[in-house]
Amino acid sequence: ETGVTQTPRHLVMGMTNKKSLKCEQHLGHNAMYWYKQSAKKPLELMFVYSLEERVENNSVPSRFSPECPNSSHLFLHLHTLQPEDSALYLCASSQDVGQGKNIQYFGAGTRLSVL
Amino acid sequence: EDQVTQSPEALRLQEGESSSLNCSYTVSGLRGLFWYRQDPGKGPEFLFTLYSAGEEKEKERLKATLTKKESFLHITAPKPEDSATYLCAVQAAGGYQKVTFGTGTKLQVIP
Repeated sequence: ETGVTQTPRHLVMGMTNKKSLKCEQHLGHNAMYWYKQSAKKPLELMFVYSLEERVENNSVPSRFSPECPNSSHLFLHLHTLQPEDSALYLCASSQDVGQGKNIQYFGAGTRLSVL
Repeated sequence: EDQVTQSPEALRLQEGESSSLNCSYTVSGLRGLFWYRQDPGKGPEFLFTLYSAGEEKEKERLKATLTKKESFLHITAPKPEDSATYLCAVQAAGGYQKVTFGTGTKLQVIP
């Protein structure tokens, strides 16, 4: 158990569906992250939140919409996705985004398949 | 732009056969270099952080070292349970800087 919990673990959705991914961290951290992991590619940073404020939006298409209601919870709302969006979506948290406090701890991920 | 290159892409070892994984990086001032282990179907698990050239850290059969241009993850007498993908990542200094990951080295240890 890493202290970062993601649900669901697996998700299959059609291109017209709307779904949400959930992440919860139990580590008392102030920063949370969404990453996309595709085969043979490095982890791609999507969004960063620090104390519930978005500090990074890495040119992600608008069909991905993040929400951070508090420092323990992070959501990724999905709508009208494309087949190329199929990937492992990872949530991470760190104590802060500042110097010496950016060790990121990851959840187990949500394996998303878009049909 | 920060870059991380890991080699080899895949490595197959016999149990007990020691080896090293390489992580070469280009970054505008290093704040930290991270090593993670990732098992299939799971998220990356944090192993080490290195902050300055010459620094070394050890954990069981793993030892991480850092120079100004690269890091090595040495695996001594590996066991089958060490089989995983090992990811390297760097963070640049100065304000908020994102962490840049490499593509990883997939290690398989054969009994």
